[in-house]
Amino acid sequence: EVQLVESGGGLVQPGRSLRLSCAASGFTFDDYAMHWVRQAPGKGLEWVSGISWNSGSIGYADSVKGRFTISRDNAKNSLYLQMNSLRAEDTALYYCAKDLTAAAGTSIVFDYWGQGTLVTVSS
Amino acid sequence: DIQMTQSPSSLSASVGDRVTITCRASQSISSYLNWYQQKPGKAPKLLIYAASSLQSGVPSRFSGSGSGTDFTLTISSLQPEDFATYYCQQSYSTGFTFGPGTKVDIK
Repeated sequence: EVQLVESGGGLVQPGRSLRLSCAASGFTFDDYAMHWVRQAPGKGLEWVSGISWNSGSIGYADSVKGRFTISRDNAKNSLYLQMNSLRAEDTALYYCAKDLTAAAGTSIVFDYWGQGTLVTVSS
Repeated sequence: DIQMTQSPSSLSASVGDRVTITCRASQSISSYLNWYQQKPGKAPKLLIYAASSLQSGVPSRFSGSGSGTDFTLTISSLQPEDFATYYCQQSYSTGFTFGPGTKVDIK
């Protein structure tokens, strides 16, 4: 059974940093691209960032480019999101999501999701 | 970024009804269109990918169609567990944007 468990969320002041983690199990982690998708309270979904299976291809939404850094450790079956210079508009539930397509492909289709970790940016 | 719109934003329907939700892209996205279902307090669930491919384990009452800029999600006979919010998402170009959602509730 595929499981994605996010952690690292919390209350943080504007301008500060936070690092999210996602522990994956139940599938061959290093075969798949992985993504972060967020949802502000009561709002819709926004793709934040994605990383290919070998970290060779990385992408970011314009809203976080230059502030957030995605990474992965295939030996630890883990995905990370380093969030710097946080703003109030970054307040959201952050989901870790698995890409549908294995190996060299990246479909940007999210077939499994974690339950999310809440990030609140407020003074 | 490509803008995604959905209509209606909400609808009320009864069990057994046929329900159709429309998603429109601001430019052609070929068939790079996916549909998700989200229930309150839960993570989204993939229903349809590549416009019309049914994700494994999803009931066959769900179907998708369309290409280019106009797409539809159809639920052929609404079941009690289908009351939820539905999102479309384009996987054609960076931004990989979602639609604003369509909430389906009980009439």
